[in-house]
Amino acid sequence: AQSVSQHNHHVILSEAASLELGCNYSYGGTVNLFWYVQYPGQHLQLLLKYFSGDPLVKGIKGFEAEFIKSKFSFNLRKPSVQWSDTAEYFCAVISYNTDKLIFGTGTRLQVFP
Amino acid sequence: GAVVSQHPSWVICKSGTSVKIECRSLDFQATTMFWYRQFPKQSLMLMATSNEGSKATYEQGVEKDKFLINHASLTLSTLTVTSAHPEDSSFYICSASRLEGNHEQYFGPGTRLTVT
Repeated sequence: AQSVSQHNHHVILSEAASLELGCNYSYGGTVNLFWYVQYPGQHLQLLLKYFSGDPLVKGIKGFEAEFIKSKFSFNLRKPSVQWSDTAEYFCAVISYNTDKLIFGTGTRLQVFP
Repeated sequence: GAVVSQHPSWVICKSGTSVKIECRSLDFQATTMFWYRQFPKQSLMLMATSNEGSKATYEQGVEKDKFLINHASLTLSTLTVTSAHPEDSSFYICSASRLEGNHEQYFGPGTRLTVT
């Protein structure tokens, strides 16, 4: 069965620190990859997505992610976080076979001023 | 574009009653709509997938007689929680994918259900 794992469950950073959140998936076929963010009390928003092409994907709010096929990874990065980045971050994968979006367990990011 | 709405945004009901939650794609046609459940501080769990005009496909462990899903049109899907119990209290989120889409799903704002 497909699965998505996020290694960091809770990350605490100071403003201006760099961020990298890990995401690995367990499917060998063609996949589409997503990072979603859920700010406190708000609904899921798409940060960025990878379908094909350049494996380095840039998203909103200065976030980027790199798809490394050989490592089955799609890590999220931001060079300098802000207090407003405090949120829950979810990695998700869709395989072409199932059309189901499988979510990771999420990473809670807290940024302190 | 690609806005999905849910109604109501929150609802409180008594045990034993039924609650209907609506999910609408406002500016696009959705071939497929998905229903998720999110427990506090946890990830989203897919409950079922619905295609317009056909029966929903439920994930393992989800009771189809308890969580009734109807996808009446290309812009509307409903989830009815029948004979609700306190353990059904949760955050229910729908998403929709476009008719001409590329598997991307657009999420609604969610509905907070509390069963007393």
